[in-house]
Amino acid sequence: AAGVIQSPRHLIKEKRETATLKCYPIPRHDTVYWYQQGPGQDPQFLISFYEKMQSDKGSIPDRFSAQQFSDYHSELNMSSLELGDSALYFCASSLVGTAYNEQFFGPGTRLTVL
Amino acid sequence: AQKVTQAQTEISVVEKEDVTLDCVYETRDTTYYLFWYKQPPSGELVFLIRRNSFDEQNEISGRYSWNFQKSTSSFNFTITASQVVDSAVYFCALSDNTDKLIFGTGTRLQVFP
Repeated sequence: AAGVIQSPRHLIKEKRETATLKCYPIPRHDTVYWYQQGPGQDPQFLISFYEKMQSDKGSIPDRFSAQQFSDYHSELNMSSLELGDSALYFCASSLVGTAYNEQFFGPGTRLTVL
Repeated sequence: AQKVTQAQTEISVVEKEDVTLDCVYETRDTTYYLFWYKQPPSGELVFLIRRNSFDEQNEISGRYSWNFQKSTSSFNFTITASQVVDSAVYFCALSDNTDKLIFGTGTRLQVFP
């Protein structure tokens, strides 16, 4: 079965650079969630989209923005990168109306800011 | 506010021992969902179980079992006859009507041969 695809899997950037993370949800899923997991920490919710509209927002820095496109894939744009942005970024997708809206996680993108 | 507490930061056991990972949650919602995820060293989040707030039935899946008790707001996870491959970080998580997952801080389980 198709799973959530995240690209790239690994990304290395310098401070103050910009990064774009991409998420391709499971086909027919209409909701995407982004989570950030710092080293040794638990995943923290950043933002979610349902049918291309932002549905919820967590502790996402103003330097970050995200959107969901017409084909339901989502992109997380991160500007003015800081060392503290180094983390594992997970995307999850779900289909509203199914059993609980269970979230299926992608493999994550590991971002390293030097 | 919703909160998940995993008081055990790290647990070490020897293979074949049983181990229980504790999870205590806080929520004001009457409808909510509880989850356990496994995160091996490779980093991916592996879904283990989901339980809704109306279903207090305990569940067993192979060597894994879960004990959900609303009276104590706990959702504990037991691995029977642990194996080296069980070594990972285990996260308990809560979701209410907002759908987003709130994770506990995780418990690192090390199983030694």
